[in-house]
Amino acid sequence: QKEVEQNSGPLSVPEGAIASLNCTYSDRGSQSFFWYRQYSGKSPELIMFIYSNGDKEDGRFTAQLNKASQYVSLLIRDSQPSDSATYLCAVRGTGANSKLTFGKGITLSVRP
Amino acid sequence: SAVISQKPSRDICQRGTSLTIQCQVDSQVTMMFWYRQQPGQSLTLIATANQGSEATYESGFVIDKFPISRPNLTFSTLTVSNMSPEDSSIYLCSVERDRAYNEQFFGPGTRLTVL
Repeated sequence: QKEVEQNSGPLSVPEGAIASLNCTYSDRGSQSFFWYRQYSGKSPELIMFIYSNGDKEDGRFTAQLNKASQYVSLLIRDSQPSDSATYLCAVRGTGANSKLTFGKGITLSVRP
Repeated sequence: SAVISQKPSRDICQRGTSLTIQCQVDSQVTMMFWYRQQPGQSLTLIATANQGSEATYESGFVIDKFPISRPNLTFSTLTVSNMSPEDSSIYLCSVERDRAYNEQFFGPGTRLTVL
């Protein structure tokens, strides 16, 4: 059973702070890693993806991947109230027919 | 990313009836998937919709309950058959343009309530 685990939430940070969202996965052969943001009542929106070890930055978002530790994280710098949402980590394994496995998500609340 | 639409956006249905949900994409895509998201839960993959052949179902989901069609590279339907209140959920269509790109995008979802 391939598993994706996320920190139990909710996570609350003040506006302007760095929010750190963490995710671990069990399938050592996993190749692709994704972060989705889901606002209440809306569908998931892809905000970051990372395939190689290290950091990947896109605006205020940084995804970090450590395959040896089977760990992927999302950092949100200068957090804004509009970042308040549930963040889902998703992992894809190997093979042509590999599927996405989603974590349970963590709810982030940014306090003005 | 692709523009994905789903119809209906929401519905309230009676126990024992069936509902067909449509998913339309504005461009041809290689892969189409159907997920379920129950209240407060993460996403569970129901099946992969295969163009021109039977869908590939995940453990716990069967064709008699969730028949799926995919007649072409831009359209798919999911039917929820013989519904019970336990089927109340959000049903989401997702697509991948191309396996090489890997990224998966979601439609707006269909919120189903079964009374």
